Amino acid sequence: DAGITQSPRHKVTETGTPVTLRCHQTENHRYMYWYRQDPGHGLRLIHYSYGVKDTDKGEVSDGYSVSRSKTEDFLLTLESATSSQTSVYFCASRDRVTEAFFGQGTRLTVV
Amino acid sequence: AQRVTQPEKLLSVFKGAPVELKCNYSYSGSPELFWYVQYSRQRLQLLLRHISRESIKGFTADLNKGETSFHLKKPFAQEEDSAMYYCALNPMDSSYKLIFGSGTRLLVRP
Repeated sequence: DAGITQSPRHKVTETGTPVTLRCHQTENHRYMYWYRQDPGHGLRLIHYSYGVKDTDKGEVSDGYSVSRSKTEDFLLTLESATSSQTSVYFCASRDRVTEAFFGQGTRLTVV
Repeated sequence: AQRVTQPEKLLSVFKGAPVELKCNYSYSGSPELFWYVQYSRQRLQLLLRHISRESIKGFTADLNKGETSFHLKKPFAQEEDSAMYYCALNPMDSSYKLIFGSGTRLLVRP
């Protein structure tokens, strides 16, 4: 497996608090992605990055922001967590010719 | 609009039976298509990529541009095939993102 790790793996947080999830890859991939996985919806793209400091919105970006200050790190921030953001979050990375490699996922519960 | 449709939420078969997981897509160009598998509570792993035309773990998938389909098939299901299967499309734009279907859970009964 490509070296892509997410932290934390599990988190419980209260409504209204900010939360940051971290994705770290060691493959020097240019492209990185954050998805959320929900039953009946599959994986939906939240935000993606096509280089350091270059990011763009995905399908379900409201309430989320991202930052990429280094090639290897891609942070997802929930600015003020809501119960609708309870989900499993997956990070992925790839280059143009490679497949997308996924992290182990972060299970986030907002209470 | 770019969309991937997996019409079956759950597919239950007996061990040794043939399996076909359906995937249809809507895209006007020539997409890149994938099948990813997720075993219980694990990360997604690539199963098939249409351009490679490989057979992985006995699974095959053929891109049918006329029917805009990329169905996943296996002639004889095994219990270890039980997992969540996702069809995904890369629209070949500058983002190289993947658009996923809603997934099909395959349950192979003994």
